[in-house]
Amino acid sequence: DAEITQSPRHKITETGRQVTLACHQTWNHNNMFWYRQDLGHGLRLIHYSYGVHDTNKGEVSDGYSVSRSNTEDLPLTLESAASSQTSVYFCASAGQGFSEQFFGPGTRLTVL
Amino acid sequence: DAKTTQPTSMDCAEGRAANLPCNHSTISGNEYVYWYRQIHSQGPQYIIHGLKNNETNEMASLIITEDRKSSTLILPHATLRDTAVYYCIVRGNQGGKLIFGQGTELSVKP
Repeated sequence: DAEITQSPRHKITETGRQVTLACHQTWNHNNMFWYRQDLGHGLRLIHYSYGVHDTNKGEVSDGYSVSRSNTEDLPLTLESAASSQTSVYFCASAGQGFSEQFFGPGTRLTVL
Repeated sequence: DAKTTQPTSMDCAEGRAANLPCNHSTISGNEYVYWYRQIHSQGPQYIIHGLKNNETNEMASLIITEDRKSSTLILPHATLRDTAVYYCIVRGNQGGKLIFGQGTELSVKP
């Protein structure tokens, strides 16, 4: 069955380190999204991509970057991790028409 | 995208219908109403969406008022596993971006 996976599921890092969170989907979807969710809040969009080599900034993109070199993967990089980036990160993908977004299980990131 | 307003929390007895309201008074003609839910610590799960007609699938029914300024998600026979945060989202045709609000925390009680 097709699926979307994220790794690692949990990560602890230190302030200033570069961190990359992986997202892999097997639906062959062109559209992929990264969100963050902080305690007691809804999800906020970080970056998104509509296809290979396409990337776009969401509402909270500062301090994050993405690159799309193939259809299946959209890694999220924190260039220099900050304590304010401690959060749960969700990746999602959607097919043409965007009728439904499929979400991954999330990565819990702690920046000390 | 239009903003939505939902109650912060609701309770429902197991086996009864859960009716979750959503106001989206500034919705425009080409914007869809989407519902997602998030069970504790999991990724959000798509439930249903609609434009102006009522919709039903195996999970729920979506009732959209004629003026499209509000909608109701109906879970016909709520179970304990339906306890979750339910998000009502209005999305236009400009890409698949979803703007999540605070959602409604539904507690299904035995």
